[in-house]
Amino acid sequence: AQTVTQSQPEMSVQEAETVTLSCTYDTSENNYYLFWYKQPPSRQMILVIRQEAYKQQNATENRFSVNFQKAAKSFSLKISDSQLGDTAMYFCAFSSDQFYFGTGTSLTVIP
Amino acid sequence: DTGVSQDPRHKITKRGQNVTFRCDPISEHNRLYWYRQTLGQGPEFLTYFQNEAQLEKSRLLSDRFSAERPKGSFSTLEIQRTEQGDSAMYLCASSGSYNEQFFGPGTRLTVL
Repeated sequence: AQTVTQSQPEMSVQEAETVTLSCTYDTSENNYYLFWYKQPPSRQMILVIRQEAYKQQNATENRFSVNFQKAAKSFSLKISDSQLGDTAMYFCAFSSDQFYFGTGTSLTVIP
Repeated sequence: DTGVSQDPRHKITKRGQNVTFRCDPISEHNRLYWYRQTLGQGPEFLTYFQNEAQLEKSRLLSDRFSAERPKGSFSTLEIQRTEQGDSAMYLCASSGSYNEQFFGPGTRLTVL
């Protein structure tokens, strides 16, 4: 069975600083996708970044980047130059066919 | 296309009543997923469709829950004889060919 673990229930970061959210997963699959989703308070869940497991190069989307360590089954999200609008729940997710989500990390960006 | 839509956005019902939610996916997406999310938790998979076929159902989906996608477009999720434990956000997501899900705004169910 696939599992996704986010060990940081809550985090905070000063505006303009950098923060890293952790995620580990467990699977016996070799081909899969990993995702970070953002869910602002009372708002819709949106995709932040995606990583294909067969790609060694870490995905980057503007201020968001990942550190994908396949052997360690680790998939952390780095947010650079944090902005107030980054305040949200962040969910790590795994997919080989069905999607599995972690329990989320609540990130607060402090002005 | 405006993305995945769900209706209603909020539903308050009394215990024992039946409720039905609708999801309209992104038009070219052939996969449609239903999730349940409770406060402080990540989405929990309930079921998914590829076109009109329901391919998988979670053990979380009791006999009181049923989902349909009759023409491979919109989907409905019905909960019969609602219980207070059914109170949650019900999320719908659709997926095309890139193994990426787009979520709707959700339907928040409150069972009194």
